[in-house]
This record gives sequence, C-alpha cells and structure tokens, in this order.
Amino acid sequence: KNEVEQSPQNLTAQEGEFITINCSYSVGISALHWLQQHPGGGIVSLFMLSSGKKKHGRLIATINIQEKHSSLHITASHPRDSAVYICAVPSGGGADGLTFGKGTHLIIQP
Amino acid sequence: DSGVTQTPKHLITATGQRVTLRCSPRSGDLSVYWYQQSLDQGLQFLIQYYNGEERAKGNILERFSAQQFPDLHSELNLSSLELGDSALYFCASAFGLAVNTGELFFGEGSRLTVL
Repeated sequence: KNEVEQSPQNLTAQEGEFITINCSYSVGISALHWLQQHPGGGIVSLFMLSSGKKKHGRLIATINIQEKHSSLHITASHPRDSAVYICAVPSGGGADGLTFGKGTHLIIQP
Repeated sequence: DSGVTQTPKHLITATGQRVTLRCSPRSGDLSVYWYQQSLDQGLQFLIQYYNGEERAKGNILERFSAQQFPDLHSELNLSSLELGDSALYFCASAFGLAVNTGELFFGEGSRLTVL
C-alpha cells in the first residue's frame, strides 16, 4: 500500500509570499492528485499530473516520478488561498482508490 | 459547482441507527467513489463503483454497504452506527475506471454526527 507524507503540516505566510508544499510517496505511481479543501469542508481537485509540470493561474504543480516526490507552489499568495491542500496517490495493492496525505493547513495573512 | 450532488448535507442520529447517504455523480461520469474523513484518520477511501458494478474496496467496515443504481446515482448505507462513525462522507465521480485516468469531482460532503 502506498504511504504519503506531506510537509509542512501547517504553514502561515504573508500575502504575496511564494508558497511550496511537498508530497512524497512510497510506491511508484502513474498519476498524483492535488486537492484543496476549503474551511467549509468542500474539496476541489486542483491537478492530476503524471509527469513534469502543470500550471493553472497562480498554482503550479510539479512531479518527479523517479524521486517519488511532488510539489505544489502558489505564487503571489492571497488570503483566499487559505485552505487545506491534500496530496493523493493511487492506493495500489489491487484497490483502485486513493491514499491521501494528512494535508497542509495553509493560512495567508493580509 | 462540481456537478456532484450529495444529500443530506447534515445528519444527526443515535448509536445503533442506520442511515443512507446519497450521491448523484456529474453528468456522464461512470465512476463513483466514497470517502470518509474523520479528525483522527483523515481522508480514507471506502469503495468504488463503475457503471453499476463494485470495482474496488478500501477501508470499508462490514456494517457499511453501498450500491450504484442504473441511473448511476449511488447510496452508502451505514448501519449499527457507533460514535466513531461520526465523520464527513464524500462522494466523488469520474468518467474513467481508474484514478489515474482523469480528474475527480467531489461533492460537498455529508456530515454525519452520531450521538
């Protein structure tokens, strides 16, 4: 079964700062998901990526399949980016679900 | 709006009771996934259905069961409820069979409180 580690667990930054959230996993995968969970509880899929880099607005996700590592970057951070960011990978072991990291609680202060 | 609808949004019940959570997937999506999010365990995969058939099982208790109907909506049945079953239950849908073939679309979740 895949194990997922995220860091940092908590991050507080000032508006405008460049944010990096890291995700490492134990078993080789074909794709990785980055999710955002708002304080109200809803979950939004940000990226699914299998190689290289993807960009959407101020969000950038990268993945290194060989090193089993992915990063999520936020440029010019804003208070509305405050949320929990969760990395998820296929569980493997015959089950086609996802194994989730514990999430990174991000607070962007004005 | 993800296009995935979950009902009810909130549910309060007592130990030993049975509840049913409902999920309508995004139009055209064939896969439905159920996830449980609790404070101590985080998000956990429970079960997946694809086009009416069960395709994968995760950490789903024997007291829990699910099904997907011909119109592709899904229901998660939780019985003999215990305090520890209090959690947010999410449904997600996708077009493909495997989690690495496309984006997942999540519902807003059903918050279950067992007293």
